[in-house]
Amino acid sequence: QVQLVQSGAEVKKPGASVKVSCKASGYTFTSYDINWVRQATGQGLEWMGWMNPNSGNTGYAQKFQGRVTMTRNTSISTAYMELSSLRSEDTAVYYCATISGASGYFDYWGQGTLVTVSS
Amino acid sequence: SYVLTQPPSVSVAPGQTARITCGGNNIGSKSVHWYQQKPGQAPVLVVYDDSDRPSGIPERFSGSNSGNTATLTISRVEAGDEADYYCQVWDSSSDQGVFGGGTKLTVL
Repeated sequence: QVQLVQSGAEVKKPGASVKVSCKASGYTFTSYDINWVRQATGQGLEWMGWMNPNSGNTGYAQKFQGRVTMTRNTSISTAYMELSSLRSEDTAVYYCATISGASGYFDYWGQGTLVTVSS
Repeated sequence: SYVLTQPPSVSVAPGQTARITCGGNNIGSKSVHWYQQKPGQAPVLVVYDDSDRPSGIPERFSGSNSGNTATLTISRVEAGDEADYYCQVWDSSSDQGVFGGGTKLTVL
């Protein structure tokens, strides 16, 4: 079965960077786009961007342009999301999720990674 | 950018029908997807492509989409349906995912 397993919680200081991993199993890693979605405590879901694991092509929400980088290592079926210049407002749970259909729905999700930004 | 609007909350008694709306400009021309999220858990896809259900999702969950409003309908509501529900579309003009603000379903 499809599984996405994310790295553990992180605590970072303002201005630092964080890199979250998402290890896929149960399917061919290069077959489905990986997206990243975040959720601040008590808030809604916020889409951050997508990556095609086959080509490495990416697309980011305008809000995160210049601060987010999505990459992958196909040899270990793992996607990464790096967010730089962290500020307190970036404190949130970050999720990876696959898109396998043409209409852009997120069918499988990782368990989430809490990133806390605090001085 | 494309905007999806949901009511913050909906309340319903057990056994009744809950309807959660998602408004957007000409949303009927887009494919709408719905997620259920319980506290401390990742979202779960409950309806995709307006009205299709993933395997394992009860038939009590259904969806419709027309004009400027999409609707998630939950029939015979159970206590276990209490959760936050989010609608989502893929905005092909900007190649971006878009979520509604979420609706908290309370089972009275």
